Amino acid sequence: GAVVSQHPSWVICKSGTSVKIECRSLDFQATTMFWYRQFPKQSLMLMATSNEGSKATYEQGVEKDKFLINHASLTLSTLTVTSAHPEDSSFYICSARGPGLGWDEQFFGPGTRLTVL
Amino acid sequence: AQKITQTQPGMFVQEKEAVTLDCTYDTSDPSYGLFWYKQPSSGEMIFLIYQGSYDQQNATEGRYSLNFQKARKSANLVISASQLGDSAMYFCAMRDAPGGGGNKLTFGTGTQLKVEL
Repeated sequence: GAVVSQHPSWVICKSGTSVKIECRSLDFQATTMFWYRQFPKQSLMLMATSNEGSKATYEQGVEKDKFLINHASLTLSTLTVTSAHPEDSSFYICSARGPGLGWDEQFFGPGTRLTVL
Repeated sequence: AQKITQTQPGMFVQEKEAVTLDCTYDTSDPSYGLFWYKQPSSGEMIFLIYQGSYDQQNATEGRYSLNFQKARKSANLVISASQLGDSAMYFCAMRDAPGGGGNKLTFGTGTQLKVEL
């Protein structure tokens, strides 16, 4: 199947700093990428959908100025958590889909665990 | 709005036995897709099985089968011959109709499965 990577796999940062998480499709062109957040022992919650070359669409309740998403190329999307606070500590997972794959198929990255001190 | 319900927060099963994980859904779209994912403690989301709303037969993938009862809006996952490695969190998810929604996935709250000797 198609492969999606995320970097870093984990990050610890101080409160008030910004953290960038990368999501890459390694062997396919990802026209659409999704960003999810998962708190401990909870489900995945969709944060935003990004299509290559256009602005991301955020889900209700997600602050777009705090969670900046850039999908500038067909293989890379980035999520920047700006001015991170301890309540932003979570597991962030991206997924991607693209042409040539089954239109129902969505491939997940391995996730990034963010801890804000 | 779409909704996925998993009523079993935790399940135990003995090795080599079969287990059924429940999932019910609610949607007004006539076209939708249902997924099951496995999430081990490492956090990665592993795709298990998919059922389209218009599929006539229940999906099967190796030891996994999906008991799709459209009229009851249920899509239960059956794992046969359980193995210790099956111990993980299992999520049911639904994809909305193709088109403008971008194939967003809505996840249930998950079921933690523990396989015992």
